[in-house]
Order: sequence, then C-alpha cells, then structure tokens
Amino acid sequence: DAGVIQSPRHEVTEMGQEVTLRCKPISGHNSLFWYRQTMMRGLELLIYFNNNVPIDDSGMPEDRFSAKMPNASFSTLKIQPSEPRDSAVYFCASSSLDRAVYGYTFGSGTRLTVV
Amino acid sequence: LAKTTQPISMDSYEGQEVNITCSHNNIATNDYITWYQQFPSQGPRFIIQGYKTKVTNEVASLFIPADRKSSTLSLPRVSLSDTAVYYCLVGEPTYNQGGKLIFGQGTELSVKP
Repeated sequence: DAGVIQSPRHEVTEMGQEVTLRCKPISGHNSLFWYRQTMMRGLELLIYFNNNVPIDDSGMPEDRFSAKMPNASFSTLKIQPSEPRDSAVYFCASSSLDRAVYGYTFGSGTRLTVV
Repeated sequence: LAKTTQPISMDSYEGQEVNITCSHNNIATNDYITWYQQFPSQGPRFIIQGYKTKVTNEVASLFIPADRKSSTLSLPRVSLSDTAVYYCLVGEPTYNQGGKLIFGQGTELSVKP
C-alpha cells in the first residue's frame, strides 16, 4: 500500500483565495482525521470521520474551514477565503478498526503558505 | 481526555538507552497509552501502544506501572536517526468509542555523536 496520500505537498496562495487540500486514505481504513500543525499551537485535530460520516468537527477553527468525505477513498479540506494565519502544515491520517494495534497512519502533509 | 505531561526536550548520545517518561494522572479505565515519533517535515509515525505492564516491539519498549498514572518509552541504543519529537497520547483507541487522539507538545529528542 502507498500509505496515506496527500496533495499537493506545497501550496502557496494569496490571501482571500480558496484552497483545497486532498487526502486519499489507506484502502480499507474506516476512519480519517485532519490535523494542522504550527510552531505555536503544535498538532491540532480539526475534524475526523468514521465510515465517511463527520463525527467531531469541534476543532475546525471557523466557518471558513470545511471538510468532506464523499467516499471511503477521498477527503478534502477546504479553506475559503484563506488568511495568512492559516499558514501551517496540514496532515491527514487514517486508521482501521484495529486501532489498538496499528494506530494512525499519517500522510506526508501539505505545507500551506498564505501570503 | 486525559492530559499528558512530558519533558520538552532531552539530549542523548549515540549508543545510549533513552527513557522518556510521560505522566497522565487522570487516565481513564478504557484509555490506552500510545507513543508517536515525528521527524522534521514528516507526519507522526506510530511507535507503540499499551494498556498495562510492559510492551515491546522491534522499535521500543513501553513500561506502564500498575497505577497507570505514568508510562516510560524506552529506546535502546539510539542512533542519530532517532532524533525526532516523541509524543505520548492517552485515549480510547477502539472504533466504537470514537478514538480521537489529542497530541500534546511532545519531547524533542536530540541524539549527538
């Protein structure tokens, strides 16, 4: 398996533009998580899905952020409009039912820079 | 969710054994203890998970005392490539209970030659 695949790896955009981050979880995994990492705040859980259904979005910072999981093999995190304070590395992770043994598998992240 | 406390940073030398202790005084009955490793510019990587006593795999050992209020990650004979941030997490890992994991600040381990 290729692991959790995120795209793009790097994104530079201007303030006010829409940004869409993409994630393909590991095949067969039932849960998907979006995290954001900054030096100041560390790793923050934004939202997670079980069987494509959003379970907890309490970490989503504000209405400018939205996430979808239309099927088991694809998820998006959208920021509209983007702001400089959204600059961070965004990680997607997935896990299987047997989380107790294998934990989460993280992707390589998308480094977002909003100028 | 139980709060965890671990040292912000640690230094070691190649070939030494490194022990990183994490305290989680408010751990709940159903909580597991999980450790992740993160290298710069990469996502965290699952290292080991346990509930009580001792767990060992090819990478590390995890020691959990009977009261489960702390845990110690042990890395045998570290090398330069073990330089990373190590996170201790406490939470319910099973699907039915949701299983979201919250990351704390982590311990930045620096291994020197």
